[in-house]
Amino acid sequence: EVQLVESGGGLVQPGGSLRLSCAASGFTFSSYEMNWVRQAPGKGLEWVSYISSSGSTIYYADSVKGRFTISRDNAKNSLYLQMNSLRAEDTAVYYCAREADTATLDYWGQGTLVTVSS
Amino acid sequence: QSALTQPRSVSGSPGQSVTISCTGTSSDVGGYNYVSWYQQHPGKAPKLMIYDVSKRPSGVPDRFSGSKSGNTASLTISGLQAEDEADYYCCSYAGSYTVFGGGTKLTVL
Repeated sequence: EVQLVESGGGLVQPGGSLRLSCAASGFTFSSYEMNWVRQAPGKGLEWVSYISSSGSTIYYADSVKGRFTISRDNAKNSLYLQMNSLRAEDTAVYYCAREADTATLDYWGQGTLVTVSS
Repeated sequence: QSALTQPRSVSGSPGQSVTISCTGTSSDVGGYNYVSWYQQHPGKAPKLMIYDVSKRPSGVPDRFSGSKSGNTASLTISGLQAEDEADYYCCSYAGSYTVFGGGTKLTVL
């Protein structure tokens, strides 16, 4: 069974940093591209970042470019999102999602809540 | 990286059909046959319903169908059921990024 479990969310002050993790199981992690998608409270889905299966290709949404860094460790079946210079508008539930095909996110984690507030 | 445009809400009675539109540009929806649709119930993670414009993953009822014309994609749900009440999001490939629609709340009357 495919499982994606996010962790690392919490309360952080504006300007602070946080590192999210996504533990994958039930599939060959190294064969799949992965994404982070977030959802602010009461709002819609917003794509955040993409990483290819090898980690060689990475894309970011303009809203997080220069502040967030996506990475993966295929040996540990894990995906990461390093978030720096956090702002109130980064407050959201962050989901990791497996990409089965181009822009096809077939499995999602349960999400982890990040709250940026003083 | 502008969000795709969806109606904020649609509604229909059980057994009826509804269609949700998703309008983008030639740089996203119109430029690629990589449009997907997601269903999200309150407090839950999104669920893939349609991919590659019109393909259904295994386990998704054939009441759900997708199409595209120019820069606008559409999700049609026929034979509405109470459990279809949820938020629906379209998503499109746009080259070096992926973009979602603002979401549509489907109410089953």
